[in-house]
Amino acid sequence: GEDVEQSLFLSVREGDSSVINCTYTDSSSTYLYWYKQEPGAGLQLLTYIFSNMDMKQDQRLTVLLNKKDKHLSLRIADTQTGDSAIYFCAEKFEASNSGYALNFGKGTSLLVTP
Amino acid sequence: NAGVTQTPKFQVLKTGQSMTLQCAQDMNHEYMSWYRQDPGMGLRLIHYSVGAGITDQGEVPNGYNVSRSTTEDFPLRLLSAAPSQTSVYFCASSPHSIRQGNNSPLHFGNGTRLTVT
Repeated sequence: GEDVEQSLFLSVREGDSSVINCTYTDSSSTYLYWYKQEPGAGLQLLTYIFSNMDMKQDQRLTVLLNKKDKHLSLRIADTQTGDSAIYFCAEKFEASNSGYALNFGKGTSLLVTP
Repeated sequence: NAGVTQTPKFQVLKTGQSMTLQCAQDMNHEYMSWYRQDPGMGLRLIHYSVGAGITDQGEVPNGYNVSRSTTEDFPLRLLSAAPSQTSVYFCASSPHSIRQGNNSPLHFGNGTRLTVT
């Protein structure tokens, strides 16, 4: 897949909101995902959004989707030190005639300071 | 359920050696895949499988082989290790073959950290 773009670093203070942005490439992507990776661990699914939705809220997480601009964002309300991690945006794409795969961005490192 | 299990967690190889990275899932997932993660490169797809007996190449397949003889296992073989294959390798599975219209998030293992000297 082509590049899914994310900013590499974000630093916020504990209690503030964090907004992580992503631009994706495939206008036909049906699902877009946010994953979280803590140090030394695998990727953990945080949330996802279907392409016919503009917004999805899940507790402290809000996902906004702008299909026209192919822009996805993840907002974390009341950010905590435990939210410090790398966040990956991913889009579904057609890998071949036999199936699809996920195309990941390079990840945004979120640092939450006390 | 143990989820997706990868072994070993760490491995050091010399250039030219071969080895197999193991991946097993106990969730009866149809879809399995291998990614490598490198600093500044994000995750790149190596190979994937939409079911037992079916495999296909991803973005960076050169130097790697896979097979899918059972639903549970999807080993990744390095035929002749090179320093460029130093990376963290993740196996991931999904209930469905990520067909268009299906929400099929990937479940990841904890990774294998490979160093080739």
